[in-house]
Amino acid sequence: NAGVMQNPRHLVRRRGQEARLRCSPMKGHSHVYWYRQLPEEGLKFMVYLQKENIIDESGMPKERFSAEFPKEGPSILRIQQVVRGDSAAYFCASSPRMGPGRGHTEAFFGQGTRLTVV
Amino acid sequence: AQKVTQAQTEISVVEKEDVTLDCVYETRDTTYYLFWYKQPPSGELVFLIRRNSFDEQNEISGRYSWNFQKSTSSFNFTITASQVVDSAVYFCALRWDSNYQLIWGAGTKLIIKP
Repeated sequence: NAGVMQNPRHLVRRRGQEARLRCSPMKGHSHVYWYRQLPEEGLKFMVYLQKENIIDESGMPKERFSAEFPKEGPSILRIQQVVRGDSAAYFCASSPRMGPGRGHTEAFFGQGTRLTVV
Repeated sequence: AQKVTQAQTEISVVEKEDVTLDCVYETRDTTYYLFWYKQPPSGELVFLIRRNSFDEQNEISGRYSWNFQKSTSSFNFTITASQVVDSAVYFCALRWDSNYQLIWGAGTKLIIKP
């Protein structure tokens, strides 16, 4: 059973280009979470998705960032018109179920995508 | 407020020494979960332990041990007989039961010198 798969591992983009980060959750997991890790910092929550639904995007910047988790295929975090401040590691995690108060399970993390904007 | 504080930015010790990484948390919830993750230089996140708020028993796993004290809102991590391979950034994280987000500390960089 493969773990959470993220690709690419490293991504270099010029300022103004688009970055697309992919996350394939573990088999049987239908919940995906994206976190961002700025240099020398801990992770910060960005967005939580279920298949075809965005549940919570309270941590996403209001502009240029979007996320989706289609019925088929990986979850995509899309950053339009990247700027140098977007340079960070982006981690995806997945879990089989959620629900406040309904008993969480561990979120399993992918290896991250390191985005460098030049 | 929900918050995790790792006051030690960087710790450097010589191999075979014991080292303790501190984690202090804040939460209003009575049900919550605490985690430790390791991030080696290669960058991935390695899950080490999860502890729920109702279980204050200390845990030992090989050279690793964790001391959970609700009275001081701390969840400290000790490595005994440290090894060079323990060099990494270690993160403490918190999730409260009515939510799903992990709240992360800033991390402690641990350097083990041979």
